[in-house]
Amino acid sequence: DADVTQTPRNRITKTGKRIMLECSQTKGHDRMYWYRQDPGLGLRLIYYSFDVKDINKGEISDGYSVSRQAQAKFSLSLESAIPNQTALYFCATSDRARGTDTQYFGPGTRLTVL
Amino acid sequence: TQLLEQSPQFLSIQEGENLTVYCNSSSVFSSLQWYRQEPGEGPVLLVTVVTGGEVKKLKRLTFQFGDARKDSSLHITAAQPGDTGLYLCAGVPADYVGAGNMLTFGGGTRLMVKP
Repeated sequence: DADVTQTPRNRITKTGKRIMLECSQTKGHDRMYWYRQDPGLGLRLIYYSFDVKDINKGEISDGYSVSRQAQAKFSLSLESAIPNQTALYFCATSDRARGTDTQYFGPGTRLTVL
Repeated sequence: TQLLEQSPQFLSIQEGENLTVYCNSSSVFSSLQWYRQEPGEGPVLLVTVVTGGEVKKLKRLTFQFGDARKDSSLHITAAQPGDTGLYLCAGVPADYVGAGNMLTFGGGTRLMVKP
């Protein structure tokens, strides 16, 4: 079984709709992240959480919100989706015990906003 | 402008050829990582380099961290179709003052190796 899972894997929605992307992990890691990937731009950090009570904005948090329901679950919401939020979204985890922040990624969610 | 610039953005070569991918910055990094991403999957860590001048080898892949810790390269010898994918460099800026080691990613190099 995969250590980091994301649901749904693909989603097509319309402008103005509320969307939630979910991430679960079985790695026992404290730190979780949400990124979006656009062609030629690599991965850009949306939000990150170092534990259940710690939520932080990343580079591009506008238009997004998150919830850390448990150590193993971190969800990303688009309150009112817009077309330029069409992208590939990745959840990742890392272990605070490591000196360098090796991140373990989920398989991604491809979101299309029409 | 991205903090980490990767070149080339796209590379299409024949099986058996050698290639080098570059990851450059004007900033100093505490460490640099290389990830490979295949279609439909998330990035997977290949290597982490932490010391200026460090060289690490992973089978046919050779990774180097620049002496000044501002750049890195990935060299693949005798490329194979299985090497096809998106290669991403990522690093922690040395002047980052926030909590934890936050990664910043380059734009990626898309490699295609034709049989």
